[in-house]
Amino acid sequence: EAQVTQNPRYLITVTGKKLTVTCSQNMNHEYMSWYRQDPGLGLRQIYYSMNVEVTDKGDVPEGYKVSRKEKRNFPLILESPSPNQTSLYFCASTRQAGIYEQYFGPGTRLTVT
Amino acid sequence: EDQVTQSPEALRLQEGESSSLNCSYTVSGLRGLFWYRQDPGKGPEFLFTLYSAGEEKEKERLKATLTKKESFLHITAPKPEDSATYLCAVLNTGANSKLTFGKGITLSVRP
Repeated sequence: EAQVTQNPRYLITVTGKKLTVTCSQNMNHEYMSWYRQDPGLGLRQIYYSMNVEVTDKGDVPEGYKVSRKEKRNFPLILESPSPNQTSLYFCASTRQAGIYEQYFGPGTRLTVT
Repeated sequence: EDQVTQSPEALRLQEGESSSLNCSYTVSGLRGLFWYRQDPGKGPEFLFTLYSAGEEKEKERLKATLTKKESFLHITAPKPEDSATYLCAVLNTGANSKLTFGKGITLSVRP
């Protein structure tokens, strides 16, 4: 089954404790992206990757890092999480940059206390 | 800066009561407009892509239309299972495939 998977689905952590949210897709997509979704703000892009070893900032990149060492994986790293990073995070992928529909993962609900 | 405004924020319908959801947008150059459906606790699910003004697409009880300034998602004779949040997003002609999303419309259909 073609899908985007994320782990963990739920995470509660404390301020300053480094964490990684994994994202993997099995559709051989070139383009991958991370979004966060907050009430009243909608979905906003954090980082994106056009292909392996090519990443760039989206609209809200502060406090996040990403890497793209393999085509299928695009982990999101929070080196020192803060409470304002409490949010619902979605990974998405698409065939390539351009006018193709993006497929979203199931989401990771992160709470930072 | 691209902007997407969806209205109303929430809509409650009786089963069988047709209605429309609005998505107004401003974008430097429109490459495409997307509609997604999102169920609680799940990721957005792709519904339609519209590329140019005048285009229409249909899927079961849903029909999406596009003008130069807005898009409508028409729901004909909705059923309770159509209850969800409907998201509109635009893709501009820039190199990044960033989708700019609206805040969504939460639709509730009562039996």
